[in-house]
Amino acid sequence: AQKVTQAQTEISVVEKEDVTLDCVYETRDTTYYLFWYKQPPSGELVFLIRRNSFDEQNEISGRYSWNFQKSTSSFNFTITASQVVDSAVYFCALSLYSGGGADGLTFGKGTHLIIQP
Amino acid sequence: DTGVSQDPRHKITKRGQNVTFRCDPISEHNRLYWYRQTLGQGPEFLTYFQNEAQLEKSRLLSDRFSAERPKGSFSTLEIQRTEQGDSAMYLCASSFPGLLNTEAFFGQGTRLTVV
Repeated sequence: AQKVTQAQTEISVVEKEDVTLDCVYETRDTTYYLFWYKQPPSGELVFLIRRNSFDEQNEISGRYSWNFQKSTSSFNFTITASQVVDSAVYFCALSLYSGGGADGLTFGKGTHLIIQP
Repeated sequence: DTGVSQDPRHKITKRGQNVTFRCDPISEHNRLYWYRQTLGQGPEFLTYFQNEAQLEKSRLLSDRFSAERPKGSFSTLEIQRTEQGDSAMYLCASSFPGLLNTEAFFGQGTRLTVV
């Protein structure tokens, strides 16, 4: 069985600060996919990134960056120079398949990020 | 709009009534998923279709829950004899396998309130 832990329930920072959201996962499989989704108040889950277990390269996309470390089973997400529009609930998820497949996505409980102006 | 569409967005029902939700996936996506999300929790996987075949349904919460995708396009999720504990957001997602192998795209969900 897979498990995803997001220990930070809520984080509040002032705009322009950098913030890191932690994600720790558990799986016995050697091939798996990790995801981050953003859920704004409207409710729709917005895909941010997918990473497969064989690709440990860190990725940067604008103000967003992701640090994948298999040695510590972590897939952390950093927002640089945060903005009020970044306020949302962020979910880390794990799957044995790229889109979810027969087991679906296993989500963490989410981190509620509040960016104060 | 070419995203995943769910209807209705909100549903209030009395305990004991049956409810049905609809999901229209992205048109070229043949995989469709249903999830339930309760307050303060991440989405919880319920069931999965590949085309019209329901390949995983053991995670449906009880026998009061059922889902269909009769023609491999839209899907419905039905809850019979609703209970207050069924109050939650029900999310639908779709994806495309194969070479493109897309991630799952989610709809905006149907929020169910059982009174």
